[in-house]
Amino acid sequence: DAGITQSPRYKITETGRQVTLMCHQTWSHSYMFWYRQDLGHGLRLIYYSAAADITDKGEVPDGYVVSRSKTENFPLTLESATRSQTSVYFCASSVQANTGELFFGEGSRLTVL
Amino acid sequence: SQQGEEDPQALSIQEGENATMNCSYKTSINNLQWYRQNSGRGLVHLILIRSNEREKHSGRLRVTLDTSKKSSSLLITASRAADTASYFCATAPIYGGSQGNLIFGKGTKLSVKP
Repeated sequence: DAGITQSPRYKITETGRQVTLMCHQTWSHSYMFWYRQDLGHGLRLIYYSAAADITDKGEVPDGYVVSRSKTENFPLTLESATRSQTSVYFCASSVQANTGELFFGEGSRLTVL
Repeated sequence: SQQGEEDPQALSIQEGENATMNCSYKTSINNLQWYRQNSGRGLVHLILIRSNEREKHSGRLRVTLDTSKKSSSLLITASRAADTASYFCATAPIYGGSQGNLIFGKGTKLSVKP
């Protein structure tokens, strides 16, 4: 089925380790986004991408790295995980400009011990 | 940069009643969107209303937008237990922060009791 899939759905890691969250979409949407969701903060934009090889920072980019070599994939890497990065991470895509309807994945719940 | 703020934070109603949630925002917008999130799941788009529209309907959903007051409301009529979820408004600012990307509020948690 077409859609947007995230992996892993659940991950426990330790402080200082590198973690990569994967996001794959089958629609060929131009825009892709990474959000984090925390109690009391709602959803905050980490990074976004307007097309392959074009990425830009969102509201809370520190400690994260993204790449987009192919239109369908948008991995998010935590280079050295910290406890403050414990969160639920959502990937989303959009067919239009960055103000169009967003299609979300099911989320990746990350715990950093 | 919190743009949209939903009100109330939590709402509990009986099945069959109407549920109204409000969203206020701060800057001029291109459009405003509402999303639903069931527990443990991703967000699902419900409806988009553009800045030049005042009201929009989709099934049991009715959304209004008042750009002079910088506010929007989402009305769910004849609610069902399956409507239990968190509801978020998201605004697309014309100018300034977030490079024009959607900014989400913190959500209203709706509980519909059978």
